[in-house]
Amino acid sequence: DIQMTQSPSSLSASVGDRVTITCRASQTISSYLNWYQQKPGKAPKLLIYAASSLQSGVPSRFSGSGSGTDFTLTINSLQPEDFATYYCQQSHSSPYTFGQGTKLEIK
Amino acid sequence: QVQLQESGPGLVKPSETLSLTCTVSGGSISSYYWSWIRQPPGKGLEWIGYIYYSGITKYNPSLKSRVTISVDTSKNQFSLRLRSVTAADTAVYYCARTDAEMAMIYWGQGTLVTVSS
Repeated sequence: DIQMTQSPSSLSASVGDRVTITCRASQTISSYLNWYQQKPGKAPKLLIYAASSLQSGVPSRFSGSGSGTDFTLTINSLQPEDFATYYCQQSHSSPYTFGQGTKLEIK
Repeated sequence: QVQLQESGPGLVKPSETLSLTCTVSGGSISSYYWSWIRQPPGKGLEWIGYIYYSGITKYNPSLKSRVTISVDTSKNQFSLRLRSVTAADTAVYYCARTDAEMAMIYWGQGTLVTVSS
């Protein structure tokens, strides 16, 4: 199985900050990397697919980059509604594994 | 707008079979891949498997011996069966529409299944 490792596991930031979350795959996955946002008690929501493509309806302050084994999710100008847990997921090969999550909290 | 809704028992006894159904509305189940994902309380996400509308399936090897996913296109539903459950199978179970690149685009709200006697 491809292991996905996110860092940091948790992060404190303020409204208006720019934050970056990283995701590393245990082997190359090209650009087969997706990012999700999950709020407490809710289902995950797809933000970014294919490493850098913004899902329809997602604000442009979210962006993704990377290829191969190293990927980043950047959120510019944090808004109150962005405080949530973020997961990366590789879609290169089965089983389609997720990172352990990064909890973004208000400072 | 595509909507998915999971349904099924919220409590299952150890060694029995967990059965859930996902009903798709606002679009046809014919086309796309349809996945099941689970999340133990307070933990991360685990992909269980998918079914293509034609009936082709792929399962997570860690669960493959216990899992069956099926589809009923006439009812716009797909289903999950997980046999011989233990407490470790206690989780919120989600269904999701999945694109060809395995991104999970639309999700159900999730249903908590507890395995306990």
